[in-house]
Amino acid sequence: KAGVTQTPRYLIKTRGQQVTLSCSPISGHRSVSWYQQTPGQGLQFLFEYFSETQRNKGNFPGRFSGRQFSNSRSEMNVSTLELGDSALYLCASSLRQGPYEQYFGPGTRLTVT
Amino acid sequence: AQSVSQHNHHVILSEAASLELGCNYSYGGTVNLFWYVQYPGQHLQLLLKYFSGDPLVKGIKGFEAEFIKSKFSFNLRKPSVQWSDTAEYFCAVNALSGNTPLVFGKGTRLSVIA
Repeated sequence: KAGVTQTPRYLIKTRGQQVTLSCSPISGHRSVSWYQQTPGQGLQFLFEYFSETQRNKGNFPGRFSGRQFSNSRSEMNVSTLELGDSALYLCASSLRQGPYEQYFGPGTRLTVT
Repeated sequence: AQSVSQHNHHVILSEAASLELGCNYSYGGTVNLFWYVQYPGQHLQLLLKYFSGDPLVKGIKGFEAEFIKSKFSFNLRKPSVQWSDTAEYFCAVNALSGNTPLVFGKGTRLSVIA
């Protein structure tokens, strides 16, 4: 079974721009979660989607948003990029919403200059 | 809000040494517990998990972890490490009550030297 895939793998953007990252979960998985990973803060939860609805949201500004499609694929968007948004953005999928094991993708490395 | 503490930021061991990585969480209710590993250049992989039952759980590659409820701990162990165990290890906790997300510790970098 194919794992979680994320595109693009690497991205360089300029301050003020916006970016969209994509995630395809493992086939049959309906929950998708997004995390930001930085050396200083570690892994921080952004949001979780299940059945096209946002079920949970972390403590990030409104510039960070996401959505999930009917095929469970998910996108996250960051508007008005700041230097501090440079990070590895990880997507994880799970069979169900809630406290279940998650399977992670390779991440998208975003660099904001 | 729940939080996870991993006490060791960087651990350096020689091959064949025994490993124990500490993980403590702060949450009074029932939790699911996980250890994830991130090998250099690879994505996060699930090492082992505890949902219920026997508090000593065994995972892949010879790793095990023990859940001690009274100490709010879920320490990771391996009797004899190999060079290939060099990686970053993350403890994670998910509360069963309330709509709470998976919370990760800041990670412990393990370097195994020959």
